[in-house]
Amino acid sequence: KNQVEQSPQSLIILEGKNCTLQCNYTVSPFSNLRWYKQDTGRGPVSLTIMTFSENTKSNGRYTATLDADTKQSSLHITASQLSDSASYICVVSSIEGNKLVFGAGTILRVKS
Amino acid sequence: KAGVTQTPRYLIKTRGQQVTLSCSPISGHRSVSWYQQTPGQGLQFLFEYFSETQRNKGNFPGRFSGRQFSNSRSEMNVSTLELGDSALYLCASSLVTSHSYNEQFFGPGTRLTVL
Repeated sequence: KNQVEQSPQSLIILEGKNCTLQCNYTVSPFSNLRWYKQDTGRGPVSLTIMTFSENTKSNGRYTATLDADTKQSSLHITASQLSDSASYICVVSSIEGNKLVFGAGTILRVKS
Repeated sequence: KAGVTQTPRYLIKTRGQQVTLSCSPISGHRSVSWYQQTPGQGLQFLFEYFSETQRNKGNFPGRFSGRQFSNSRSEMNVSTLELGDSALYLCASSLVTSHSYNEQFFGPGTRLTVL
């Protein structure tokens, strides 16, 4: 069964600290993996999109990694800011069935 | 370039009624997908339209339907509303199909409350 599991469910960190969010998937055959940031009450915004041949992709203070062999991805946030407080959603695309499989998300709260 | 727009932003209905939500994709985008988001279930895929044809459908009852017009604008309809239909309904557009290697842009959503 195609699944995407994210950990932790929620996380609280101090402003200025780094953090790493995890995404494990069983989706096959794999097409691409995306990370989205969703502020409360708003639509998700794309952070990165990666294919199996891409190991690392950065978008400002956000760096995503992908290990297609172990089917794991991580999103690293450097020097966190209060505005990073949001839900981070990992989404994996499968070639078969042309579908996107969504993780439940990690809720990040950055405290001052 | 204008983003994805959804109307209305907020809606309150009672059980048994029906509702129509509208989505205007980014100019030039031909794919529109609809999602339901609830606190307990996260984002759930409803359906995807591409060039006026439904390309994919999630596991929702037939009360949920949609369509896409020649200008790529899309509507989704929910009939015989139930309390459990209360959710944030998100629309997303992309140049081609949502699953391919191209970015998907989400609208702000329509918050539906069923009383």
